[in-house]
Amino acid sequence: DAKTTQPNSMESNEEEPVHLPCNHSTISGTDYIHWYRQLPSQGPEYVIHGLTSNVNNRMASLAIAEDRKSSTLILHRATLRDAAVYYCILRLLKQTGANNLFFGTGTRLTVIP
Amino acid sequence: DSGVTQTPKHLITATGQRVTLRCSPRSGDLSVYWYQQSLDQGLQFLIQYYNGEERAKGNILERFSAQQFPDLHSELNLSSLELGDSALYFCASSAGTTSLEQYFGPGTRLTVT
Repeated sequence: DAKTTQPNSMESNEEEPVHLPCNHSTISGTDYIHWYRQLPSQGPEYVIHGLTSNVNNRMASLAIAEDRKSSTLILHRATLRDAAVYYCILRLLKQTGANNLFFGTGTRLTVIP
Repeated sequence: DSGVTQTPKHLITATGQRVTLRCSPRSGDLSVYWYQQSLDQGLQFLIQYYNGEERAKGNILERFSAQQFPDLHSELNLSSLELGDSALYFCASSAGTTSLEQYFGPGTRLTVT
């Protein structure tokens, strides 16, 4: 699976938008871009995924660069509950059904009240 | 609540012992994944089962084994335990082999003394 690069940590003020960047310059044409987050003392939680077009859901938005070499997870209004480690993961949907996730070190987001 | 349950929540045991961790996937999910999270290695994929069959293997030690039963619950067996096996063990499930979303359980914290 292709590698991703994320900043180790970021800070945001509560109720402000947060843009979490991810670089994936070796992405292949069939790699999906996934974001998961892990709140303190919990298991990882699915946030969003996309392939080429920007995606929105109730949790966040995913903006994908035209060349797909980078993407940005956007939290529209950060709350204290959004403080977590955010993981950007590339995954090829394999026909074998082997769809495990490779987690990197992620970005630790601190939300300041 | 992801719908994935794991038991026990905490486990303390001695070196050389054997333990079994249990996971019940979300209702209807056929794929089960096991991950290990330690302070020095981060989140690592161990093994995946789909409808009772092994589909993918990660960095799983030979001392570790898993299986998925006909009712779709899964067990991870860890034997000849070492201090370095102390970690959080997460189970995740997904609907099938093509589903891109994985749902994680709350984890089992294993402490080997």
